[in-house]
Amino acid sequence: GENVEQHPSTLSVQEGDSAVIKCTYSDSASNYFPWYKQELGKRPQLIIDIRSNVGEKKDQRIAVTLNKTAKHFSLHITETQPEDSAVYFCAASRAPGGGADGLTFGKGTHLIIQP
Amino acid sequence: KAGVTQTPRYLIKTRGQQVTLSCSPISGHRSVSWYQQTPGQGLQFLFEYFSETQRNKGNFPGRFSGRQFSNSRSEMNVSTLELGDSALYLCASSLVAGRETQYFGPGTRLLVL
Repeated sequence: GENVEQHPSTLSVQEGDSAVIKCTYSDSASNYFPWYKQELGKRPQLIIDIRSNVGEKKDQRIAVTLNKTAKHFSLHITETQPEDSAVYFCAASRAPGGGADGLTFGKGTHLIIQP
Repeated sequence: KAGVTQTPRYLIKTRGQQVTLSCSPISGHRSVSWYQQTPGQGLQFLFEYFSETQRNKGNFPGRFSGRQFSNSRSEMNVSTLELGDSALYLCASSLVAGRETQYFGPGTRLLVL
């Protein structure tokens, strides 16, 4: 089945700086890559997703890039703010709804925004 | 639209007991997936239901089971609870299976003593 590796496990950045979180996946058939943000005690919330026919997608301060050849994708957050502090999860699947094995998640990155 | 809801939010059980968790998807969504979240293993896929049928199943023992009703509400059951079953159980709904984004509920936090 699919295996998703996520790095780093913890990332501390100064407010206003950029943050980058990277994920690699193993299943070349995966074609859907969402990113979820989970604040302490709350549900994971979808912040952005990308499908394999697109190399990059942006939504205000958030962007995701995908390199299908290398099987890796990254989340970029610019001009970080205190409310960006949370755990971020990347995931991969063969279809948006999950495919044969559901969404396979990375272990998460704890993003800390230093004031 | 109201989001995904899960009941109960918190649950304490003892080893050997069984538990049933409930998930109501977003109105109009017909697919429900269940995930287990633990600090050690992260988010792991349990199973997915669509139109009252289990479509996919993750790598969990048979003690974990589920079902979906005609109104798309879903339940999952864990029998013969073990300490390691302590976790946050999340359900996620999507419009149809295999094609749409999943939206998560708040989860049920299960503690097994």
